[in-house]
Amino acid sequence: AQSVTQPDIHITVSEGASLELRCNYSYGATPYLFWYVQSPGQGLQLLLKYFSGDTLVQGIKGFEAEFKRSQSSFNLRKPSVHWSDAAEYFCAVGVTGTASKLTFGTGTRLQVTL
Amino acid sequence: DAGVIQSPRHEVTEMGQEVTLRCKPISGHDYLFWYRQTMMRGLELLIYFNNNVPIDDSGMPEDRFSAKMPNASFSTLKIQPSEPRDSAVYFCASSLSGGIGELFFGEGSRLTVL
Repeated sequence: AQSVTQPDIHITVSEGASLELRCNYSYGATPYLFWYVQSPGQGLQLLLKYFSGDTLVQGIKGFEAEFKRSQSSFNLRKPSVHWSDAAEYFCAVGVTGTASKLTFGTGTRLQVTL
Repeated sequence: DAGVIQSPRHEVTEMGQEVTLRCKPISGHDYLFWYRQTMMRGLELLIYFNNNVPIDDSGMPEDRFSAKMPNASFSTLKIQPSEPRDSAVYFCASSLSGGIGELFFGEGSRLTVL
């Protein structure tokens, strides 16, 4: 079965600094990969997704992620973080045939200091 | 456009009581998912429907949990009898077939069982 690991439970960055959130997946074939964001008291919102093709994908709010098959990773990046980016970020994996049935990681809580 | 609508937003009940959570998916979406979020276990998929038919209920914890989707615009998740360990935030999400992995989440129902 597929699985997702987000090794960082909590990350703090200064506003304006760059950000990278780590995600590693386990699946025998090429998975579908996603990043979602959850603001306090809200549901999750899709940031970006990877199915195939270009391994660098762009998402909303200035985020991007890079799929690296050799490392089984799909890390999320943003060159300059804004205070409004403080939230919890979830990496998720879907597999062929049941791609809408996602397995989520445990999340990384991002704190932004001013 | 209205998003996924869940009710109630907050529910406090006593152990042994019946709890019913409700969800109205986005109009036209043919997939509906129920997730549970806790600090200990993260986001867990409980059950999902396609065209009102339950496809996979392997995540439903036990027989105390049941879910129905009587029509395309309404779903319920029922817990009877409720127990303190059921305390969690329950999310409903919907998606469109073809929109692989693009789930639209409601704001969640926070359940506290005393």
